[in-house]
Amino acid sequence: AQTVTQSQPEMSVQEAETVTLSCTYDTSESDYYLFWYKQPPSRQMILVIRQEAYKQQNATENRFSVNFQKAAKSFSLKISDSQLGDAAMYFCAYRRITDDKIIFGKGTRLHILP
Amino acid sequence: DSGVTQTPKHLITATGQRVTLRCSPRSGDLSVYWYQQSLDQGLQFLIQYYNGEERAKGNILERFSAQQFPDLHSELNLSSLELGDSALYFCASSVRPAGDYNEQFFGPGTRLTVL
Repeated sequence: AQTVTQSQPEMSVQEAETVTLSCTYDTSESDYYLFWYKQPPSRQMILVIRQEAYKQQNATENRFSVNFQKAAKSFSLKISDSQLGDAAMYFCAYRRITDDKIIFGKGTRLHILP
Repeated sequence: DSGVTQTPKHLITATGQRVTLRCSPRSGDLSVYWYQQSLDQGLQFLIQYYNGEERAKGNILERFSAQQFPDLHSELNLSSLELGDSALYFCASSVRPAGDYNEQFFGPGTRLTVL
């Protein structure tokens, strides 16, 4: 069974600094999707970034980028120039190509210090 | 705003009761998903419907059931409620099921509190 592990329950970063959130996963599949979702206090689940396993190039969305290490089954999220609005719970997630079930990690709560 | 609507936003009920959560997918989306977010279990996939038919099942209790209607809205029915059923229930929708990537858009959730 596929699993997603986020080992950092909480993290803090100074505003304007860079922070990296860690995620590891376990799967026997060769093709799959990985995601980072953001859940702010409003509780809305917001897709931050997506990575296709068959792409070697790391995905980037503005201040958000990932470090995808397929062999190590590692998928970290880097947030550059942290802003107060980045404060939220961040979930790492996995989805097989062949089905729609998204498997989520337990989440990392990110605090931004002014 | 994702375009997915869920009602009610909050629901408070007692143990043993039955509730229905409602979800309207984005316009044009045929697939609906239900997820449960609880403190101890985290975010878990419950069930998926596509164009009215059940497509995939996850960790959904037998006390829970769902359906998708011809107008594509979906309802999640929770019965014989227990304290542990208190959670945030999300609905998500996508254009079509698996294959090419298609994003699941999440609704704002329904907060269920069982007293």
